[in-house]
Amino acid sequence: DTAVSQTPKYLVTQMGNDKSIKCEQNLGHDTMYWYKQDSKKFLKIMFSYNNKELIINETVPNRFSPKSPDKAHLNLHINSLELGDSAVYFCASSREGSSSGANVLTFGAGSRLTVL
Amino acid sequence: GQNIDQPTEMTATEGAIVQINCTYQTSGFNGLFWYQQHAGEAPTFLSYNVLDGLEEKGRFSSFLSRSKGYSYLLLKELQMKDSASYLCAGMDSNYQLIWGAGTKLIIKP
Repeated sequence: DTAVSQTPKYLVTQMGNDKSIKCEQNLGHDTMYWYKQDSKKFLKIMFSYNNKELIINETVPNRFSPKSPDKAHLNLHINSLELGDSAVYFCASSREGSSSGANVLTFGAGSRLTVL
Repeated sequence: GQNIDQPTEMTATEGAIVQINCTYQTSGFNGLFWYQQHAGEAPTFLSYNVLDGLEEKGRFSSFLSRSKGYSYLLLKELQMKDSASYLCAGMDSNYQLIWGAGTKLIIKP
């Protein structure tokens, strides 16, 4: 059983389109995250979310929006896609809240987005 | 600013030992993480240090010196499957992870 699963694994689309990436975790974790890994391999936090709090990285354009129907799901919706959005997007979850030291992340396998 | 520095790439021989260094600058400090990421896969947790010293976990060990802003990951008895990127991440006072770009480790027979 996959602990953190995200779909699709690959997504190729045109500039200007709107797309979503889905994420589900079956670990019973309280906090979920979206990360972007660019071509230089840096992992950059986009959002962290639990039942009580959504923390948005202020550098993330408002074209990106997280949607959480329940504690086990955190989807990423992207409007008006741009070339620079091409990257690998990782979903992750953690048992502890985002305000905890030993906060081990479990990552999904990643979704490679290519914008043409 | 906050920054994590680690070498871009290292090469080692199967069966040998390799040390991957990481220096960090964070606003406050709540620990240092190491993750392993095989090509095209998810990062997976290796270690967490918040106190100075060496933490050993099988073939992998992680060291932290808070006064020097320095950590290393030590891999012993290298195996071909250890070929991967190793990501260093520091946690700042707001519990935000600051990630390095990763060190790509190439293992040769």
